[in-house]
Amino acid sequence: DTAVSQTPKYLVTQMGNDKSIKCEQNLGHDTMYWYKQDSKKFLKIMFSYNNKELIINETVPNRFSPKSPDKAHLNLHINSLELGDSAVYFCASSLRGSGEKLFFGSGTQLSVL
Amino acid sequence: DQQVKQNSPSLSVQEGRISILNCDYTNSMFDYFLWYKKYPAEGPTFLISISSIKDKNEDGRFTVFLNKSAKHLSLHIVPSQPGDSAVYFCAATGSARQLTFGSGTQLTVLP
Repeated sequence: DTAVSQTPKYLVTQMGNDKSIKCEQNLGHDTMYWYKQDSKKFLKIMFSYNNKELIINETVPNRFSPKSPDKAHLNLHINSLELGDSAVYFCASSLRGSGEKLFFGSGTQLSVL
Repeated sequence: DQQVKQNSPSLSVQEGRISILNCDYTNSMFDYFLWYKKYPAEGPTFLISISSIKDKNEDGRFTVFLNKSAKHLSLHIVPSQPGDSAVYFCAATGSARQLTFGSGTQLTVLP
């Protein structure tokens, strides 16, 4: 019954591989996000979807492609992984107009070797 | 171009005393501010927020103060408890309703 769940929790892979991270929320929220926590610990927004439509697309390499099959799911696919992609990726959701009270998943630790 | 700064990476406080976590911002268009708390291996969880039309918001042991002229906000925790030990993130947003986070402050409450 986890509110925002993302899988896998840990992902270790070789450079050049393609990988996906999945996210699901059961809160009935209409907006979902992907955040990246870099080595300096800043949480930076990558993408935001509202009702399956992309509304925020920050300066992210186009190797990163989000996909939202429905309001409850937002997956992140990463092509041709690079060493610099190693980070913790957080999925989050919110109800638009709720004052930016985001509910976060527990994170996916991605390590690219 | 860090628009939200938490200059203290860590803070240690004795149990029962006050914890004061600070945050500075540079963007005068920010009008809503939030604090999130993060335990290891978990995602951040919302703690408390404040609108720019207020200078104080209180929720139990947690109070957030906003000084718009100084572009500064602080989170006070009184009394501090060992369970409060976590990383605290300050975040801000403007009309775009897109959160900008600081780098976090690790609070350790010593028993």
